[in-house]
Amino acid sequence: GAVVSQHPSWVICKSGTSVKIECRSLDFQATTMFWYRQFPKQSLMLMATSNEGSKATYEQGVEKDKFLINHASLTLSTLTVTSAHPEDSSFYICSARELAGGLYEQFFGPGTRLTVL
Amino acid sequence: GQNIDQPTEMTATEGAIVQINCTYQTSGFNGLFWYQQHAGEAPTFLSYNVLDGLEEKGRFSSFLSRSKGYSYLLLKELQMKDSASYLCAVIDSNYQLIWGAGTKLIIKP
Repeated sequence: GAVVSQHPSWVICKSGTSVKIECRSLDFQATTMFWYRQFPKQSLMLMATSNEGSKATYEQGVEKDKFLINHASLTLSTLTVTSAHPEDSSFYICSARELAGGLYEQFFGPGTRLTVL
Repeated sequence: GQNIDQPTEMTATEGAIVQINCTYQTSGFNGLFWYQQHAGEAPTFLSYNVLDGLEEKGRFSSFLSRSKGYSYLLLKELQMKDSASYLCAVIDSNYQLIWGAGTKLIIKP
């Protein structure tokens, strides 16, 4: 299957700082990328859907000014957590969607574990 | 509203067979995914069903009935490494992926 990379794998930061997470589709072009968040023992929660060259669509309850998403190219999307606080500590996962042979497949990055002190 | 139901937890024995069910009620349907997720890792793709019937892929098979809003994931010859959460997800009419809460599968020797 296609490969999606995420960087960094983990990050520890002080409260009030901003953190940028990169998501890349390595061997395919992804017109749509998704950002998810997962708290311990809970299901994945979609934060936003990102389409290349346009503004991201945020899910209800997700602050667009706090979680900045940029999808500047067909292979790269970034999520910036601005002024991070301890409650933002979570596992952030991106995924990229590929349409192949008339069927959608969605591939996930390895995730980024964010810890805000 | 949109809803996907699957059991919270299941236990099975190594070498046995287990079936994980998923029922869904969504606004439209453009396919159903099954993913496997080990603790602390991202989900990995297992299967995609868009037509009724059974899709077999090695030890794993996935079944879909669109008229019943029902799918199952069948795991054969269970191995200890199959202990994980299994997530059912449906693509709705807006091509949004709707997730179930996942089924934690515990494999015992």
